[in-house]
Amino acid sequence: DIQMTQSPSSLSASVGDRVTITCRASQGIRNGLGWYQQKPGKAPKRLIYAASTLQSGVPSRFSGSGSGTEFTLTISSLQSEDFATYYCLQYNTYPLAFGGGTKVEIK
Amino acid sequence: QEQMVESGGGVVQPGRSLRLSCAASGFTFSSYGMHWVRQAPGKGLEWVAVIWYDGTKTYYGDSVKGRFTISRDNSKNTLNLQMNSLRVEDTGVYYCAKYSSASGLESWGQGTLVTVSS
Repeated sequence: DIQMTQSPSSLSASVGDRVTITCRASQGIRNGLGWYQQKPGKAPKRLIYAASTLQSGVPSRFSGSGSGTEFTLTISSLQSEDFATYYCLQYNTYPLAFGGGTKVEIK
Repeated sequence: QEQMVESGGGVVQPGRSLRLSCAASGFTFSSYGMHWVRQAPGKGLEWVAVIWYDGTKTYYGDSVKGRFTISRDNSKNTLNLQMNSLRVEDTGVYYCAKYSSASGLESWGQGTLVTVSS
């Protein structure tokens, strides 16, 4: 089974900061990776799929990159509504696997 | 507009059973694989199970294999999860999600809470 290691598990940042979150896969997953944002009490919302394709309606300050085993989600200029928990998901191989999550908090 | 609404959650004793349902609308349900994902209180997301668009294939996470059964009724646009031999650690919010091989889990329901407690 593929394991997804996400880092950091939490971070504190200010509005306007550039934020980077990383996911590493224990085996190659090509570009079968998505990024999700979750706010308390809500279902996850997809931001990125196929490693770097922006979901329709998602602000362009979100971007994804990577292929194979290392992937990155970048928020170019953090906004107040971006404070949330972020998860990566590999869907290249069954069983699917989520990263452990990154909680983005206000500094 | 796409929508998925889960139901069937509640409080159940360890060892008992519960059946969750997910009613889908706004898309061609029979064309998509469907998944269940769960989240224990204060924890991360855990993938539970998948069923192929036509119901011919299923996969399960190790923690539920042999206890949970995913099924679907394409005539009723409904996804189900039969959960047997429930354990305290099965407690959490259960989400259904629509899937495509090209883009993964595209959209999610709002979730239904399952609490396993004596």
